[in-house]
Amino acid sequence: ETGVTQTPRHLVMGMTNKKSLKCEQHLGHNAMYWYKQSAKKPLELMFVYNFKEQTENNSVPSRFSPECPNSSHLFLHLHTLQPEDSALYLCASSKSRLGQETQYFGPGTRLLVL
Amino acid sequence: LAKTTQPISMDSYEGQEVNITCSHNNIATNDYITWYQQFPSQGPRFIIQGYKTKVTNEVASLFIPADRKSSTLSLPRVSLSDTAVYYCLVGDPNAGNNRKLIWGLGTSLAVNP
Repeated sequence: ETGVTQTPRHLVMGMTNKKSLKCEQHLGHNAMYWYKQSAKKPLELMFVYNFKEQTENNSVPSRFSPECPNSSHLFLHLHTLQPEDSALYLCASSKSRLGQETQYFGPGTRLLVL
Repeated sequence: LAKTTQPISMDSYEGQEVNITCSHNNIATNDYITWYQQFPSQGPRFIIQGYKTKVTNEVASLFIPADRKSSTLSLPRVSLSDTAVYYCLVGDPNAGNNRKLIWGLGTSLAVNP
């Protein structure tokens, strides 16, 4: 257990569906992250939140919409996804947004878009 | 952009010492080198972090030469449970204060009985 939980662990959705991924951290951290991990590709940083404010959006398509209601919770809202969006979506947190801070990852949500 | 280069895969046997070397020619002066471990269907997990010379913890050792253009993760006496992907990360020197950690493909280590 890393102190970061993600739900659901697995998700299958059609291209017209709307779903949300949830992440919760119990570490008292101030920064939270969404990553995408596709097969045979490096982890891709999608979004960064620091003290509930979005500080980075790495050219992520608008069909992915993040939400951070407080420092402990992070959501990723999904709509009209494409099959190439199928991947492992990882949430992480760290004490702060500084580059040297250790990131603690959740187990991920395995997403399949049909 | 900072970039790391690691072997794609390595094979070892139980009880052996495993050394995984990572090249990072463009590392920034203030950046640390961090290694993570990832098991299948799990998120990466922090192993060790260092700036220069040698760092050791209960899991591994990290050797960093004076020029810091490479680093070597050393796993002593590996077991089957050490089979995982190991990632070497350094900060992006072009990202300013919000330094981005650039993830590579990692090294897939297989420990055999």
